Amino acid sequence: QSALTQPRSVSGSPGQSVTISCTGTSSDVGGYNYVSWYQHHPGKAPKIMIYDVSKRPSGVPDRFSGSKSGNTASLTISGLQAEDEADYFCSSYAGSNTWVFGGGTKLTVL
Amino acid sequence: EVQLVESGGGLVQPGGSLRLSCAASGFPFSSYWMHWVRQAPGKGLVWVSHIIRDLISTTYADSVKGRFTISRDNAKNTLYLQMNNLRAEDTAVYYCVRGMYYMDVWGQGTTVTVSS
Repeated sequence: QSALTQPRSVSGSPGQSVTISCTGTSSDVGGYNYVSWYQHHPGKAPKIMIYDVSKRPSGVPDRFSGSKSGNTASLTISGLQAEDEADYFCSSYAGSNTWVFGGGTKLTVL
Repeated sequence: EVQLVESGGGLVQPGGSLRLSCAASGFPFSSYWMHWVRQAPGKGLVWVSHIIRDLISTTYADSVKGRFTISRDNAKNTLYLQMNNLRAEDTAVYYCVRGMYYMDVWGQGTTVTVSS
């Protein structure tokens, strides 16, 4: 049950695109199409942004997109906006009804 | 409105116990898998435990196995987490979360502090 690996921080200017990576193993990210991404503003409840690698829940802007290649998943945010500044966490199903999260990435909008 | 409201957090001494509760509303609670997820101060989210719809299957992170017990009362639309033999490293905000392979509804969290 080792945490997935995410960069500690990323940044971009309004209107730009940023990509956050999430690296696991063949036992989690690489083994299942059950990667999800969460936006977390401190003090608030986390919000799901992407599920099943690339699906967007209703209400999430299409500026947010997800993908996966091998053991690495990615979240891309295009057309950055000030309100996108938050912590982002990836998560993956890891088999046998267990889950694992990434360490989180702080997104700064410059 | 779909809602999860946690309660039961507080300050407890090392070795002590706490029971967290999570009141669910706005959806058919008995139809959903549920989880507990925690976040220690300055750290990332960590999956803690999971329970399926009919109480038969439960799973735990290695760090809490044997000390924490997840349960649910579908008649009361309530999820529980019994935490025994608490350690300083269990200090965190504990979130009640709805979801199957992904976690789509989160509560606001309840804070547990383990300290002497």
